[in-house]
Amino acid sequence: GAVVSQHPSWVICKSGTSVKIECRSLDFQATTMFWYRQFPKQSLMLMATSNEGSKATYEQGVEKDKFLINHASLTLSTLTVTSAHPEDSSFYICSARDHRRRINEQFFGPGTRLTVL
Amino acid sequence: DAKTTQPPSMDCAEGRAANLPCNHSTISGNEYVYWYRQIHSQGPQYIIHGLKNNETNEMASLIITEDRKSSTLILPHATLRDTAVYYCIPNFGNEKLTFGTGTRLTIIP
Repeated sequence: GAVVSQHPSWVICKSGTSVKIECRSLDFQATTMFWYRQFPKQSLMLMATSNEGSKATYEQGVEKDKFLINHASLTLSTLTVTSAHPEDSSFYICSARDHRRRINEQFFGPGTRLTVL
Repeated sequence: DAKTTQPPSMDCAEGRAANLPCNHSTISGNEYVYWYRQIHSQGPQYIIHGLKNNETNEMASLIITEDRKSSTLILPHATLRDTAVYYCIPNFGNEKLTFGTGTRLTIIP
């Protein structure tokens, strides 16, 4: 199956700093990628839909100026958590859809665990 | 997308069939039923999907009732590696997936 990678797999940062998370589709092109956040013992919550070459679409309640998304190529989307605070500590997961496939099968990355001190 | 109801947790003995139910009584006529699972601290993994007919692939079988108000995911011979949270997700086949609380399946040796 298709592979999606994320980097870094985990990161610890100080409050007030910015953190960039990369999501790559390794063997397919993804015009659309998705960013999710998951707090402990909770389900995944969609944050935004990232479209190659255009602005991301954010879900209600997600601050677009705090969570900057860039989808500059068909294989790479980045999420930057700006001015991170402890409440931003979470598991961030991206997914990508292979548009060659007929079904809506999304391939998920392994996730990035962010801890803000 | 339709709302779903899944049992919060289930246990299944290793080697037996695991049957995971999902109620989606408000599903629309052209909404598919997708199943994903998430092993602890990993990203979710696609399992199977269906519209009206029962479906089978190398991972699982999906049984959808005739009125489409519920479905059952069947893992025919559960292994310890099948321990995960299983999500039933009605979806029109567009791109946004909405994850509910899912069923935490524990395979017991």
